[in-house]
Amino acid sequence: NAGVTQTPKFQVLKTGQSMTLQCAQDMNHEYMSWYRQDPGMGLRLIHYSVGAGITDQGEVPNGYNVSRSTTEDFPLRLLSAAPSQTSVYFCASSLRGGGGTGELFFGEGSRLTVL
Amino acid sequence: QQQVKQSPQSLIVQKGGISIINCAYENTAFDYFPWYQQFPGKGPALLIAIRPDVSEKKEGRFTISFNKSAKQFSLHIMDSQPGDSATYFCAASMVGSFNKFYFGSGTKLNVKP
Repeated sequence: NAGVTQTPKFQVLKTGQSMTLQCAQDMNHEYMSWYRQDPGMGLRLIHYSVGAGITDQGEVPNGYNVSRSTTEDFPLRLLSAAPSQTSVYFCASSLRGGGGTGELFFGEGSRLTVL
Repeated sequence: QQQVKQSPQSLIVQKGGISIINCAYENTAFDYFPWYQQFPGKGPALLIAIRPDVSEKKEGRFTISFNKSAKQFSLHIMDSQPGDSATYFCAASMVGSFNKFYFGSGTKLNVKP
């Protein structure tokens, strides 16, 4: 069982560069989300999607773009990287809320450093 | 402003001892309170969760205590083991939020042999 797969695991960027963090899940989950993890801040929601073609902003969306063309994939794009975006990024998926347990299944993270 | 406040930031416990991590929230619309466990280099994984209609939930050595009037909940790890050494996050979400979670800042637990 692959679960939630994130690539790349590590990336170094220069200020102003753009890149895409990839996320794929094979559990047929409707809900997918991106969090960033920073020391002392816990996990903060960047963007989320409740199904293909539907996305919305979380707590800290500025500087990031997402799209959801398929159920399986939910890429996160950094448009013009800034040092403040140095973080560990986690993709998560779950069954849609309501009748589900609410359990989030996380990938192993992508560590991004912006110089 | 952080919606869920967690303490302590770090915790050292001897093997066999009790580890206690506390969380507090303000938004009374929250109705689901999970705890996630994260090992170094891994993503968080659900450990145990509670809804506000019960005051306590126990799974093995892990117990959540919930105080609705005080808007606080805590994780108790009984007979703590070195294998429990990890970072623990509390979280909260609300009905109709499509599983949007607000996480605490995390507690790094070190259980000494």
